[in-house]
Parts: sequence; C-alpha cells; structure tokens
Amino acid sequence: AQSVTQLDSQVPVFEEAPVELRCNYSSSVSVYLFWYVQYPNQGLQLLLKYLSGSTLVESINGFEAEFNKSQTSFHLRKPSVHISDTAEYFCAVSSSGGYQKVTFGIGTKLQVIP
Amino acid sequence: KAGVTQTPRYLIKTRGQQVTLSCSPISGHRSVSWYQQTPGQGLQFLFEYFSETQRNKGNFPGRFSGRQFSNSRSEMNVSTLELGDSALYLCASSLTGTGYGYTFGSGTRLTVV
Repeated sequence: AQSVTQLDSQVPVFEEAPVELRCNYSSSVSVYLFWYVQYPNQGLQLLLKYLSGSTLVESINGFEAEFNKSQTSFHLRKPSVHISDTAEYFCAVSSSGGYQKVTFGIGTKLQVIP
Repeated sequence: KAGVTQTPRYLIKTRGQQVTLSCSPISGHRSVSWYQQTPGQGLQFLFEYFSETQRNKGNFPGRFSGRQFSNSRSEMNVSTLELGDSALYLCASSLTGTGYGYTFGSGTRLTVV
C-alpha cells in the first residue's frame, strides 16, 4: 500500500517570497511522484513529475521539486511566488511500472498575499 | 487538441435516485480513471479503465460502477444516492498508464439533496 502526507493544509506567503510545500510518501516499492495544481472550479493540472533519473525536476512556471529517497520526500519549491500561484497543490504517488493507481495527498492551499 | 470533457458540469439529485456521469478522454488516451473529491477526504480513487477493462478499483461500495466503451469514453454510475455522495467527481485520462501523468477534466459537481 502507498500513502502521501502533505504536512501543511494551508500556506500563506507574501508575493515575491520563496515557498516550500512539503510532501512525504510511503511505499514499499519504487515510485513515480507527481505534483498537481488545482485552480478554483477547475480540474487538476500536472505541474511536474519524477519518474527516474535526475532527482530535481522543474516545471515551466518556475516550480521545482526534489526526490529524496532516504527521506521519502518530494517537496515543491518556488524561489519567488506570484499572485497567480494562489491555488491548491496536490502531491501524488504511484508504484512504478505505470499500471497502478495514483494516490493523492489531501492538498495544500497556497495563498499568496499581495 | 481537445482536453478531457466531463458532462454534465453540475447535477442536483434526490436521495435514492441514480446518476450517470460521462467522460470523454483525450484522443488516443486509453486509460480513464475516476476520483471523488470532497473537502474532508481529498481525492479518493474510484476505478480505472483501460481498453474497456477495469484495471484497478478503489474502496467504494458496489453502488459505484463504471464502464468504458470501445472509443475510450467512460461512464460512471451511482445508484441509490446518499447525501454523502455529494462531491466533485473527476475524470482523468492517460496515454496508457500513470507514468505519463494524468490529464483531468473539470469535473462534475454532484449535489444530493
């Protein structure tokens, strides 16, 4: 069985400040890791993913996440947030191999304060 | 390229009724997964279909069922609706498996009264 823990339900941060959204996972096998973002009244959008290879993965809008196997973490970071980053962020895990279900964390609401 | 289309967007039903939700995946995507999203529980996995076969199933009662057609379109059905079934139901399509990541639809907001 696999699980995901997002340690913060809400994270307020001032515009242009850095932010880190924390995610820890539990799995007995190799994993794929994902971050999704959900804007109000919309579905989720894939932000970035780790499948294998480099442990640091980046998105096109400045977010990055680092896979840390020893700490079973996949924290999401951005050096400088914008108002438009206000949304809910979900960390997700699936067993590698591609045919397993994806388990999502409870979500972290990022509120960017002007 | 069209995205994942879910219909209807909003639905209000009475306890005891049944409901059918529809999902059209991205063209070429053969995997369709369904999730229930509620404020307290987050996203809960319902089931996944691949090439018309249910490949994975979550821990939901038998009142929740689904199917996939030969064109990869999928439907989910909930019978004997309960108040607790009120939620946002999300459909996600993927090329063949989870390693590609999901593309989500905008969801169907179901309210049971």
